[in-house]
Amino acid sequence: QIQLMQSGAEVKKPGASVKVSCRTSGYTFNNYFMHWVRQAPGQGLEWMGWMNPNIGGTNSAQKFQGRVTMTRDPSKNTAYMELSNLRSDDTAIYFCVRRRSGDYPFDYWGQGTLVTVSS
Amino acid sequence: QSILTQPPSVSAAPGQKVTISCSGSSSNIGRNVVSWYQQFPRTAPKLLIYENNKRPSGIPDRFSGSRSGTSATLAITGLQTGDEADYYCATWDSSLVEGVFGGGTKLTVL
Repeated sequence: QIQLMQSGAEVKKPGASVKVSCRTSGYTFNNYFMHWVRQAPGQGLEWMGWMNPNIGGTNSAQKFQGRVTMTRDPSKNTAYMELSNLRSDDTAIYFCVRRRSGDYPFDYWGQGTLVTVSS
Repeated sequence: QSILTQPPSVSAAPGQKVTISCSGSSSNIGRNVVSWYQQFPRTAPKLLIYENNKRPSGIPDRFSGSRSGTSATLAITGLQTGDEADYYCATWDSSLVEGVFGGGTKLTVL
């Protein structure tokens, strides 16, 4: 079955970086874009960006441009999201989400990774 | 402030019907298809409706979606206590070139 398995919770200090991994199985990794969505405590969902696993191209929300880096390792069917210069308001659960290119939904989600930013 | 506007909360009695609205603009809902997600506490969202009104396999027909102009609606009939969750609408915004979500609606089944 299709699975997106994310790395474990992280605690970081302000100004540091965090890298979250998303290991996929059960489908052809290159056939679906990988998106990242986050959810701050008690808040709604916020789209961060996408990565095209075929060529590694990326696009991110303007809010995160310059701070987010999305990469992949096709040999491991794994996507990565790195967020730098962390602030306290980056404390959130980060989800990787699969989506086919075009007008398609976010159909499979990772379980989420809690990132806590605290001094 | 979310690009798509949803009511913060809705409630209804078991067995009743409830609707959740999602209001956007010509650059998002007016141009792209809408999907809906159900989220229980401490779990990842789950796809409920896609392409405005289609249900993935396994989603009961008590859940339905529609879109008209720059708004979309999720309807849930025959409410059950197990439907208590947060519901989010989502689409693509062609002007921002970004994915956008509604702020979420908490459904309470009284």
